[in-house]
Amino acid sequence: GAGVSQSPSNKVTEKGKDVELRCDPISGHTALYWYRQSLGQGLEFLIYFQGNSAPDKSGLPSDRFSAERTGGSVSTLTIQRTQQEDSAVYLCASSPSGDTQYFGPGTRLTVL
Amino acid sequence: AQRVTQPEKLLSVFKGAPVELKCNYSYSGSPELFWYVQYSRQRLQLLLRHISRESIKGFTADLNKGETSFHLKKPFAQEEDSAMYYCALRGKAAGNKLTFGGGTRVLVKP
Repeated sequence: GAGVSQSPSNKVTEKGKDVELRCDPISGHTALYWYRQSLGQGLEFLIYFQGNSAPDKSGLPSDRFSAERTGGSVSTLTIQRTQQEDSAVYLCASSPSGDTQYFGPGTRLTVL
Repeated sequence: AQRVTQPEKLLSVFKGAPVELKCNYSYSGSPELFWYVQYSRQRLQLLLRHISRESIKGFTADLNKGETSFHLKKPFAQEEDSAMYYCALRGKAAGNKLTFGGGTRVLVKP
């Protein structure tokens, strides 16, 4: 079946611009996660959605970062006023009720 | 706070040699430990988890609570094992998010 998909696969933007990254989880998976993979920082948790519960935003690095999940399915991660240190690969994962996480291919963000 | 440490950034071994990737964790409770693998140009995928106690692709890992370690081992490395390996922890008190180590790149030479 189809796995987790993310778009775009690559995004190049200028410092100060806003970007939106999209994640389509596996159908039926109630949990959705965003992580960031950057040089020197490894893989960092950003935010976690579980069903209709309030999301766990404890990993968001600043208030420039936000995410939403509409209809319990697709999620969008928004970064406002991008900075060069935001350059990274942003990974989305989904899981059935918080069990094994299945990862998407990632979006490589480059901020010039 | 929960933390995962992978002390080796790069492990280079010859085909057929044993390989051991070290993972140490810090967590005040009963964690779940995982190993994830990312092959070249592929997505991150689960390799094994400690509660399954199984061997996947010849790899095993044993949770040692006394030493707070979850080292990954394979007795005879193959070239196709060349990849990036991440140790990860999930703590019950912290929801279902994963805390990852910095990763170890394994290079198996012919």
